[in-house]
Amino acid sequence: GQNIDQPTEMTATEGAIVQINCTYQTSGFNGLFWYQQHAGEAPTFLSYNVLDGLEEKGRFSSFLSRSKGYSYLLLKELQMKDSASYLCAVMDSNYQLIWGAGTKLIIKP
Amino acid sequence: IAGITQAPTSQILAAGRRMTLRCTQDMRHNAMYWYRQDLGLGLRLIHYSNTAGTTGKGEVPDGYSVSRANTDDFPLTLASAVPSQTSVYFCASSEGSGRANEQFFGPGTRLTVL
Repeated sequence: GQNIDQPTEMTATEGAIVQINCTYQTSGFNGLFWYQQHAGEAPTFLSYNVLDGLEEKGRFSSFLSRSKGYSYLLLKELQMKDSASYLCAVMDSNYQLIWGAGTKLIIKP
Repeated sequence: IAGITQAPTSQILAAGRRMTLRCTQDMRHNAMYWYRQDLGLGLRLIHYSNTAGTTGKGEVPDGYSVSRANTDDFPLTLASAVPSQTSVYFCASSEGSGRANEQFFGPGTRLTVL
């Protein structure tokens, strides 16, 4: 079967760095997406990785290792507005997105 | 402002009633999707459409139907609602299928079936 695993909840301090991990087992791989979802709102796109390595975009970076079926999202200089759920999704061989349940990130002052 | 709109925002529905959730996008995207989101579970694909005039079944299609008469609209119909269909429903669109495109999401419809 297809499976995406990520921690249910994480807590971090404002100004700090946090790493959210995602492991996957899917039928085929056409890239991995990270989305941010604030409570009661729609998911919004953060990043896309299809090749191994690190993609940096401002305070957010995303890493992919295809051989390990592993990705992480790194958030630096955390701000209170970063409190949200972070969704990992893998595009399978049919170009359909398989979604993880999301990681709720709580930022404390 | 370009984007995706969904209606209604929320709805309480008696079991057995028929309900259509509306979704409209003005980005001229070819592909559209319907997901449901339940606490503790990832987004699950209900139905999708790769282009106007075509539709396909996702992971959890039972009890739902869709149509795609034109590029912009992709309504989702519950023929006879059941309490297990209580969920938040998101419509999404992307430029095309068959390649890794970012999906854009509507604001969601919160549906409660009693």
